[in-house]
Amino acid sequence: EVQLVESGGGLVQPGRSLRLSCTTSGFTFGDYAMSWFRQAPGKGLDWVGFISSRDYGRTTKYAASVKGRFIISRDDSKGIVYLQMNSLKTEDTGVYYCVRDWDWGQGTQVAVSS
Amino acid sequence: EIVMTQSPATLSVSPGESATLSCRASQSIGNNLAWFQQKPGQAPRLLIYAASTRATGVPARFSGSGSGTDFTLTISSLQSEDFAVYYCQRYNNWPPQTFGQGTKVEIK
Repeated sequence: EVQLVESGGGLVQPGRSLRLSCTTSGFTFGDYAMSWFRQAPGKGLDWVGFISSRDYGRTTKYAASVKGRFIISRDDSKGIVYLQMNSLKTEDTGVYYCVRDWDWGQGTQVAVSS
Repeated sequence: EIVMTQSPATLSVSPGESATLSCRASQSIGNNLAWFQQKPGQAPRLLIYAASTRATGVPARFSGSGSGTDFTLTISSLQSEDFAVYYCQRYNNWPPQTFGQGTKVEIK
């Protein structure tokens, strides 16, 4: 069974940093691209970014709203994908989801507030 | 950038009735369209992919249709557990995979 478990969320002040982790199991992690999505309170689902598999060079792509501030990385030996969030803004508040193909984690809550 | 537009924003339906949800892409996406269901406090759940293929375990009362730019999700004989928000997502030339703004199906 595919499992994706996000962690690392919390309350952080604007301008600070936070690193989210997504620990996976139930599949050969290194073979898959991984994505992050987010959902602001009461709003819809937004794509945040993506990292390809090792075979495709671990290429990353980001939404315009986070490009230059967020970094996605992966540790294939541990089955973990990370989302490093820097220079956080209040509009980054929301639930962050880790996604593999059609499989979603349960999300981790991030609140950016002074 | 391809924009996904869902209608209506809210649909009020009585249990046992059917519901028809629409999703339109700003340009053709072939059949690269998925539908998700989301309940409060939960992650989205895949219902339909490739416009009309039900995901594993999804009841037959959920059906999808369409191709190109216009897509429909039909829920026949709504059950209490079907009242939720539904999102369409396009996944051609991903990333990104972009969503519509959602349709809330509420009890009438």
